[in-house]
Amino acid sequence: GAVVSQHPSWVICKSGTSVKIECRSLDFQATTMFWYRQFPKQSLMLMATSNEGSKATYEQGVEKDKFLINHASLTLSTLTVTSAHPEDSSFYICSARDAGGYTDTQYFGPGTRLTVL
Amino acid sequence: LAKTTQPISMDSYEGQEVNITCSHNNIATNDYITWYQQFPSQGPRFIIQGYKTKVTNEVASLFIPADRKSSTLSLPRVSLSDTAVYYCLVGALIKAAGNKLTFGGGTRVLVKP
Repeated sequence: GAVVSQHPSWVICKSGTSVKIECRSLDFQATTMFWYRQFPKQSLMLMATSNEGSKATYEQGVEKDKFLINHASLTLSTLTVTSAHPEDSSFYICSARDAGGYTDTQYFGPGTRLTVL
Repeated sequence: LAKTTQPISMDSYEGQEVNITCSHNNIATNDYITWYQQFPSQGPRFIIQGYKTKVTNEVASLFIPADRKSSTLSLPRVSLSDTAVYYCLVGALIKAAGNKLTFGGGTRVLVKP
């Protein structure tokens, strides 16, 4: 149980293009999903909190117009990196909070490696 | 958010027990402790979670003293495949809007043959 998937697992794009990453909770509903970014040899950094049916909440320093988040259903959140540049190259990881149950536990996806040329 | 402090790295050998201690001096009454494991180029994997005393599952044990200002993850009889980064996180026990996790540096565990 508590499986989260991401698609694609890796993507290479040219500078200036936009890339969409999907995050799905496969066997549970998630009213809240989270997006993290991780650079090599570093820890995960929370970028934004995605709430189903409402606007995402971004962490300080994260450009909301560059990292568009949509959480249209209880099982799907998408992150679109707009006008990507080489400095956006990173490992993007989503997590989902199980809407059922009592405790607040996040389950993580496998991550998406983005390389911008 | 309660800040956590862990050793940067630890080395061990196959078959040994690995104990990783995490300090969280300003843990709040409604906070619980969760440990995740992360392999290179993968998302973190949930290992164990607890509030107080001792919790055990099929892969690890979590020891939390009465004052809850620290916790120790115990990995019994490690194998080479346990080489990973282990993160200790402290977060609110009950689901609520605004809850979020803050990752510290983690502990890089290297298991040698």
